[in-house]
Parts: sequence; structure tokens; C-alpha cells
Amino acid sequence: EADIYQTPRYLVIGTGKKITLECSQTMGHDKMYWYQQDPGMELHLIHYSYGVNSTEKGDLSSESTVSRIRTEHFPLTLESARPSHTSQYLCATVRHGADETQYFGPGTRLLVL
Amino acid sequence: GNSVTQMEGPVTLSEEAFLTINCTYTATGYPSLFWYVQYPGEGLQLLLKATKADDKGSNKGFEATYRKETTSFHLEKGSVQVSDSAVYFCALINNNDMRFGAGTRLTVKP
Repeated sequence: EADIYQTPRYLVIGTGKKITLECSQTMGHDKMYWYQQDPGMELHLIHYSYGVNSTEKGDLSSESTVSRIRTEHFPLTLESARPSHTSQYLCATVRHGADETQYFGPGTRLLVL
Repeated sequence: GNSVTQMEGPVTLSEEAFLTINCTYTATGYPSLFWYVQYPGEGLQLLLKATKADDKGSNKGFEATYRKETTSFHLEKGSVQVSDSAVYFCALINNNDMRFGAGTRLTVKP
């Protein structure tokens, strides 16, 4: 079972603030993903990474950035939070060369006022 | 392109009823197919998977068979329990492109 940690678990913040959502994993998985999901609804891919110094945009990436300086960490930054960013953010990992099973973190619930 | 279409919910069943959640996909080549489950307040977790045609994935009494001829991967369980109440997501990966269905919420009543 993969160990994936996301912090904070819950965040309430005002419009215009810059925020960084943390995702870390202890499994040494190469691939990491960020998804946005309204509770119980469809997942939307925001960004993904195939390894250190590799980042790619997903379908919903225009208002956020990511970095992958270390294998273990894949932080997601919203430069200027808006109420439309209110959602749940899920981080996932995949081990390179494996069967592409995604291991998900517990998620961060974000509320932008 | 790659896409997944799954049965819209919500689905409400009585305990011990038979469950089917339909999932069809569009992809070129040979994708791997997955069912993920999300229990209330939790992240997604893998329920079962199949990596090639005619494979059957199974776990916790759930089953799904990879049908290439009908491009389907329907989820079934013979007798659902209250604890199966969750949102179920069908997904595929094909050439590093990961796609999820919209999710189907299942509620099982005692």
C-alpha cells in the first residue's frame, strides 16, 4: 500500500491569496498527478510529472503551477485563489514500469471565500 | 482520443441486491482498465483492474471483464452490502493518457 500524504487536509482562504498544496510520497514512485474533484464527481487532471524536473499540463492547468525538484514532493501552487477554485484536490502516484495503478492521497479540501 | 463513459447515478439498491454499473470506453490500441472506489470522506482506491482483453478483475465480491468486442468493462456484484455505498469510477490508461469516468454514486439501504 502506497504512503501518500497531502497537507493541509482542509484550507479556508480569501480571494487573491497565494496557496501551495503539498503532496509527498515515500514509495519512490516516478509518476505523480494532481486532480481536481468536486466531492463524488468527475476527476479533472491538472498537472502531472514523470519524474524529477518533468512537469506537464493537464486539462485544467491554466491557473496553477507545479514543481518536481525531488521525487518525493510534487507541490501545487495557486498564484491567486478564486472562489471557483473551491474544490477537492487529489494527488496520485504511479510506479514506473508497473501496471499503471494509481495510488491516491487523502485529498485537500479547499474553500476560497 | 481516449475516453470513458459510465452509467449515470445515483444508484440506490437494497441490501443483497445485484449490482451492475456500466462502463464503456473509447481508445486506440490496448488500454488497461480499472475500477476505483471512493468511500465517503476518503480518497480513491483501486478496486480491480484488467490489463488485456478477456481478463477478469475481481476484488471484495466485485467483478469486471475486459470486453474488447464491446469496448466495455461493466462492474458487477451479486449481493451488495450497506458498506458498499460509495462512488465508483471507471478508468483507463492508454499510452500514458489516464482518463476517468464521471463516477456513479451507489447507495445501499438495509
